Amino acid sequence: GAVVSQHPSRVICKSGTSVKIECRSLDFQATTMFWYRQFPKQSLMLMATSNEGSKATYEQGVEKDKFLINHASLTLSTLTVTSAHPEDSSFYICSARESIRTVPSYGYTFGSGTRLTVV
Amino acid sequence: GESVGLHLPTLSVQEGDNSIINCAYSNSASDYFIWYKQESGKGPQFIIDIRSNMDKRQGQRVTVLLNKTVKHLSLQIAATQPGDSAVYLCAERAYGSSNTGKLIFGQGTTLQVKP
Repeated sequence: GAVVSQHPSRVICKSGTSVKIECRSLDFQATTMFWYRQFPKQSLMLMATSNEGSKATYEQGVEKDKFLINHASLTLSTLTVTSAHPEDSSFYICSARESIRTVPSYGYTFGSGTRLTVV
Repeated sequence: GESVGLHLPTLSVQEGDNSIINCAYSNSASDYFIWYKQESGKGPQFIIDIRSNMDKRQGQRVTVLLNKTVKHLSLQIAATQPGDSAVYLCAERAYGSSNTGKLIFGQGTTLQVKP
């Protein structure tokens, strides 16, 4: 089945530094990837949609200069949290959508998430 | 970090009972809906899906019901087991000319199964 690998699973960084999170589709091509953020005991909140070879589309209220998204290939998207602050601490999850729909779930496959802690 | 968003409600059921988890979705143009199970510290796992041209779909021990009139989705789990304890998330996909098929998640519910 479709597998999405997300790394790192956990990261601790100092305030003011940048952190990069990778999302890879291992056995399929993903023209579209999605980045979500999840606070404790809350649902997933969509941050942005990234399409291979073009600029990401950010949801309202998400700072594009702070959350840099790059989707350079059909199997890799990265999210870079720049100048991280403690309020950026959260669980970040990516989802990759297959170029060719397969069952189940129209090809939406999720990564295992990255726990970011900014100290 | 914390946000000012809503905290997940909790449903507590006895092992062996049936569970019903509800979700209100927001967009009447949504054409596809998915239920996910999320265990602590992990990404969402697909449970069952339903298209907007259906009102019911059954899987193994699970049933999804869709009421488009009131924009309501429910997940029924039969004979709930301790391993079903997790967060359950509903998601909708809105399609339109300006849309890329992004999934928007509803509030979610924490299911606790008592042995």
